[in-house]
Amino acid sequence: AQSVTQLDSQVPVFEEAPVELRCNYSSSVSVYLFWYVQYPNQGLQLLLKYLSGSTLVKGINGFEAEFNKSQTSFHLRKPSVHISDTAEYFCAVSEDQAGTALIFGKGTTLSVSS
Amino acid sequence: DTEVTQTPKHLVMGMTNKKSLKCEQHMGHRAMYWYKQKAKKPPELMFVYSYEKLSINESVPSRFSPECPNSSLLNLHLHALQPEDSALYLCASSQEGASSYNSPLHFGNGTRLTVT
Repeated sequence: AQSVTQLDSQVPVFEEAPVELRCNYSSSVSVYLFWYVQYPNQGLQLLLKYLSGSTLVKGINGFEAEFNKSQTSFHLRKPSVHISDTAEYFCAVSEDQAGTALIFGKGTTLSVSS
Repeated sequence: DTEVTQTPKHLVMGMTNKKSLKCEQHMGHRAMYWYKQKAKKPPELMFVYSYEKLSINESVPSRFSPECPNSSLLNLHLHALQPEDSALYLCASSQEGASSYNSPLHFGNGTRLTVT
């Protein structure tokens, strides 16, 4: 069975600093990986996804993530954050087999201050 | 603006009430989902409908009853809820059926439910 671990529950950073939100997964089969963002009082919005191909995936709002199969990681990065990036970020994994559903990590709260 | 619309945005109900949550999407998506999200927690899957048929029920108590009248609509009927059922209820849809496990989810903004 698959699982997702987000290593940091909270990440405080200053505006314009770089940030990395860490995500590790475990699965016995091929996986698809996603990062979602949730702003206060809203639903989740897809930031980016890895399905196959290039291991460096670019998403919306300047975010990118790198799939590392050997380290079973899918860390999210942004070179320079804004106040508006303050939100909850969820890593999610889906196994490459029918009948399974998306599994979310516990989330990382990114707090950007000036 | 989200393309998945949920109503109402807020709902307060007593433990003896019957109410329904509604979700609508017009993107032609063939899978629709109900998630429950407690504060500071990730969404937890409750139900999945694929091509208007219930394909996943994550052992949800019978006081929650889903319904998919057509490919654009998804309801969640609530009856005899408990205070611990208070949460944000999120609806989502995806383009392919639930068996296509790489199809991203599109979420609504949720219904914040309070059970008194």
